[in-house]
Amino acid sequence: DGGITQSPKYLFRKEGQNVTLSCEQNLNHDAMYWYRQDPGQGLRLIYYSQIVNDFQKGDIAEGYSVSREKKESFPLTVTSAQKNPTAFYLCASKRGGSSGDNEQFFGPGTRLTVL
Amino acid sequence: GQQLNQSPQSMFIQEGEDVSMNCTSSSIFNTWLWYKQDPGEGPVLLIALYKAGELTSNGRLTAQFGITRKDSFLNISASIPSDVGIYFCAGRLNYGGATNKLIFGTGTLLAVQP
Repeated sequence: DGGITQSPKYLFRKEGQNVTLSCEQNLNHDAMYWYRQDPGQGLRLIYYSQIVNDFQKGDIAEGYSVSREKKESFPLTVTSAQKNPTAFYLCASKRGGSSGDNEQFFGPGTRLTVL
Repeated sequence: GQQLNQSPQSMFIQEGEDVSMNCTSSSIFNTWLWYKQDPGEGPVLLIALYKAGELTSNGRLTAQFGITRKDSFLNISASIPSDVGIYFCAGRLNYGGATNKLIFGTGTLLAVQP
């Protein structure tokens, strides 16, 4: 089945450690996105990539890093510089890169808890 | 970052009732999307709107792209318990940029009493 997968579903991290969240899609979509969701708030954009080997900062990129070496993969690293990393992280993808329609499709999310 | 004004924040209704929620902005949008999110899961796209005045249905759900292009509405008719969840609107600004970034509303929590 085509879709977006995120792993792991739950992740625990000690303060001061970096951690990488996985996002894979087999929809052949060009664009991929990372969002952060906190209770009672809408989704906030961390990073996005419209094409392989290129990515752009979103609204809250500080303390995060990404790579886009393959079309189907867009891993997010939460670094120790992120001051409040406990949140629900959502990955999304969209066909057409910078063109095409605007419909983003989401993965199931990863809940990160910093102990 | 900018967020859309979405209302109401929460709704507690009886099964069978109709539901209405909306999103408004001070900016003009060229796309409106409506998503539903179940607890602990990713949002699922319900309806996409691309033209001012457009009215689109998906089963018991109906959404409209406001004429002013600054708002959108979602209606759910004859609600059932599985409609429970958080509903988000999302829009793309009409400034001609090539980024295709979406701006999200803060969500409407819907609870349905059987």
